[in-house]
Amino acid sequence: GESVGLHLPTLSVQEGDNSIINCAYSNSASDYFIWYKQESGKGPQFIIDIRSNMDKRQGQRVTVLLNKTVKHLSLQIAATQPGDSAVYFCAENLTGNQFYFGTGTSLTVIP
Amino acid sequence: DAMVIQNPRYQVTQFGKPVTLSCSQTLNHNVMYWYQQKSSQAPKLLFHYYDKDFNNEADTPDNFQSRRPNTSFCFLDIRSPGLGDAAMYLCATSRQGPGINEQFFGPGTRLTVL
Repeated sequence: GESVGLHLPTLSVQEGDNSIINCAYSNSASDYFIWYKQESGKGPQFIIDIRSNMDKRQGQRVTVLLNKTVKHLSLQIAATQPGDSAVYFCAENLTGNQFYFGTGTSLTVIP
Repeated sequence: DAMVIQNPRYQVTQFGKPVTLSCSQTLNHNVMYWYQQKSSQAPKLLFHYYDKDFNNEADTPDNFQSRRPNTSFCFLDIRSPGLGDAAMYLCATSRQGPGINEQFFGPGTRLTVL
């Protein structure tokens, strides 16, 4: 599969602060991206997605930014809460139906 | 609620003893996926079905096979499990049509190989 990597394997933030999780992807042909949250012992949970014809998409407390020039994705979580503690993965859709996951970032929220 | 169901949640098998993991969905999605996820690693795509069309990833070992008898069910068969096959196995579904849509994941089956 294609390489989708994350810059930071771990991230600790204070409760109430904003979090930014980054992801680099390698294939400029990828046209759809998803951010997932995975809690211990559970399957990945969809957070937000973005298509390549957009550079920003907002959800509830989350924003995804896509920079196709440098092949970079970020996930911004506003007012981070203890329940946000989890591993976050980005995944890219390269071709057809395949999705390839990045390395993952473990987010710890400090109360 | 529509969902992706995996059974069992925990499976123990012996080295070399064939094992089958099950996945079912009530979403009526036309694509079903199997991922392998080892500890502290990202899910790795093994293969997927688009309707009845099987699509294997190039680096998926021959030891891993899959069956999809109907839209709702998909099975992962590990013919001769090795110690290195111990992992969480995740099933996912998506509806592919005009454009690409999100995947929905099941809770996973954690496989232990003794």
